[in-house]
Amino acid sequence: GAVVSQHPSRVICKSGTSVKIECRSLDFQATTMFWYRQFPKQSLMLMATSNEGSKATYEQGVEKDKFLINHASLTLSTLTVTSAHPEDSSFYICSAYSTGVGGYTFGSGTRLTVV
Amino acid sequence: GNSVTQMEGPVTLSEEAFLTINCTYTATGYPSLFWYVQYPGEGLQLLLKATKADDKGSNKGFEATYRKETTSFHLEKGSVQVSDSAVYFCALSDSGNTPLVFGKGTRLSVIA
Repeated sequence: GAVVSQHPSRVICKSGTSVKIECRSLDFQATTMFWYRQFPKQSLMLMATSNEGSKATYEQGVEKDKFLINHASLTLSTLTVTSAHPEDSSFYICSAYSTGVGGYTFGSGTRLTVV
Repeated sequence: GNSVTQMEGPVTLSEEAFLTINCTYTATGYPSLFWYVQYPGEGLQLLLKATKADDKGSNKGFEATYRKETTSFHLEKGSVQVSDSAVYFCALSDSGNTPLVFGKGTRLSVIA
């Protein structure tokens, strides 16, 4: 089946540094990538939607300059958390959409801890 | 806007008990409906889906039927196992290429 490889699975970084999270669709092309954030014991909150080759569309309240999303190809999307702070600590999940695979495929998530 | 409401957890059941997790939705059109499962520390896995009214999705002993008249998509399993312990999310999609709208999730714990 369709697989989205998300890396890293866990990362600890110092406050003020930047962290990049990658999502790659394996064996299929993702026309759209969705980025979600999940707080402990809560549901997924949509952060942004990105289409290959165009700027991401951010949800209200999500700082686009802080959460940089790049979708340079149909198989790779990245989320960069810039100047991370402890309140950015969370579980980040990507989801790729493709008509070819009939729907949505989720990455395995990245646990970000900012110290 | 679209929304999904699912029963609050946590739900604790003994092994082999019957499971129901209620899910209702609000949508302007005819959405596709999904159940996802999340095991600790992992991403989401599609459990089952239904794309039109009266469709029944099923997988691994779980079932859910798309009920347009009651705008519901309740998840059921006849006999749960310890390995079913996870968080279950009900979700809908207006159409392809739009983000999924999730319910808040229901944590299920199955004890031996």
